[in-house]
Amino acid sequence: QSVLTQPPSVSAAPGQKVTISCSGSSSNIGDNYVSWYQQLPGTAPKLLIYDNNKRPSGIPDRFSGSKSGTSATLGITGLQTGDEADYYCGTWNNSLSTFVFGTGTKVTVL
Amino acid sequence: EVQLVQSGAEVKKPGESLRISCKGFGYSFTSYWIGWVRQLPGKGLEWMGTIYPADSDTRYSPSFQGQVTISADKSISTVYVQWSSLKASDTAMYYCARRTGYSSGWSSDYWGQGTLVTVSS
Repeated sequence: QSVLTQPPSVSAAPGQKVTISCSGSSSNIGDNYVSWYQQLPGTAPKLLIYDNNKRPSGIPDRFSGSKSGTSATLGITGLQTGDEADYYCGTWNNSLSTFVFGTGTKVTVL
Repeated sequence: EVQLVQSGAEVKKPGESLRISCKGFGYSFTSYWIGWVRQLPGKGLEWMGTIYPADSDTRYSPSFQGQVTISADKSISTVYVQWSSLKASDTAMYYCARRTGYSSGWSSDYWGQGTLVTVSS
């Protein structure tokens, strides 16, 4: 089981906003940068956010990231049907000396 | 254009060995860490380990240490993960992913298309 906990699912209507939490500890989120990934059905994951709140080129500003203490949050505004996917947080874990992913959250657009 | 191209799907029997590959294109292959990620059917992402192709420095997740071997051949810009004796529980999709070069923390900006490994008698 992962050391990073996410809600199994979140949902909202098109155009609305959702937030996804990622809860960790002082040995992972508390001491390292967080990244977020989107995995559309049947495809490889895609980097959405790196270094807590930075977007790679080509990622719309509807996606945002933040971190506070041992938790991180991904926000998606102006929700679109194309945003239906699984979302994962990730960070380095000092005590395990490895990268770890969160448990994953399925976003449903109602 | 940066690309990671993985080898094709495999169907193997329990106890057999296997090596799958990930070949990098369009960037300086030896300058970036490459990691392997497992995704069991219907489940989440699991970090297996990572390798720096320039010197083959390799780090394993504790869950995968001793279970797989990650290697690299920088002469052909390819990294591998191999199993000496497969189990049915190794049935999964496997992704390779390149560490982002421009980030302060660890993140992965380019991913392979995935290799489906099926282990069944």
